[in-house]
Amino acid sequence: RKEVEQDPGPFNVPEGATVAFNCTYSNSASQSFFWYRQDCRKEPKLLMSVYSSGNEDGRFTAQLNRASQYISLLIRDSKLSDSATYLCVVNPPNVKLSFGAGTTVTVRA
Amino acid sequence: GAVVSQHPSWVICKSGTSVKIECRSLDFQATTMFWYRQFPKQSLMLMATSNEGSKATYEQGVEKDKFLINHASLTLSTLTVTSAHPEDSSFYICSAWTESSYNEQFFGPGTRLTVL
Repeated sequence: RKEVEQDPGPFNVPEGATVAFNCTYSNSASQSFFWYRQDCRKEPKLLMSVYSSGNEDGRFTAQLNRASQYISLLIRDSKLSDSATYLCVVNPPNVKLSFGAGTTVTVRA
Repeated sequence: GAVVSQHPSWVICKSGTSVKIECRSLDFQATTMFWYRQFPKQSLMLMATSNEGSKATYEQGVEKDKFLINHASLTLSTLTVTSAHPEDSSFYICSAWTESSYNEQFFGPGTRLTVL
């Protein structure tokens, strides 16, 4: 079983729509969780950390469910510039990060 | 924010040659640097973990004699792909980590390697 699994998508949504997707992780001892954004042929960039109580950053909301071992990302009022691949990243109890394969989101005008 | 650079950003080479990729942390000292490889439509796969002044730790299935890593200082790590073959063509990304970064890794812009 992969350490981190994501629905690859793509999620094709119109501008202004809400899109949400999940990611599951296998190591129950994982301590830190992140969503990274990766544009085509670019390096990943940190979008937001995911906290136990859930957190929001503008139009982005992240949730963590430790019991079911998944995290989610919700994007409200989608913009064209939100089109990207979103990587779920999990940090087991060491420095290494485990990356999901990414969920592709395409926002259309 | 922390800035990590990579050089070159892209390289095309002939099969059998060696290619060196540099990863530098520009405004901070990185305790640890990581080297990843990403094939199209796949996730980043960790190749090795590099600590300054010590030997790199390679992930299972990564040949240490083929992918030579040197971490000479707290701001520079190099990855040399020796005797490159077409199947080594990939996107190589480094990241840098320091204890004060709370598990966040700062990524370089990546190096796209094409082996003919």
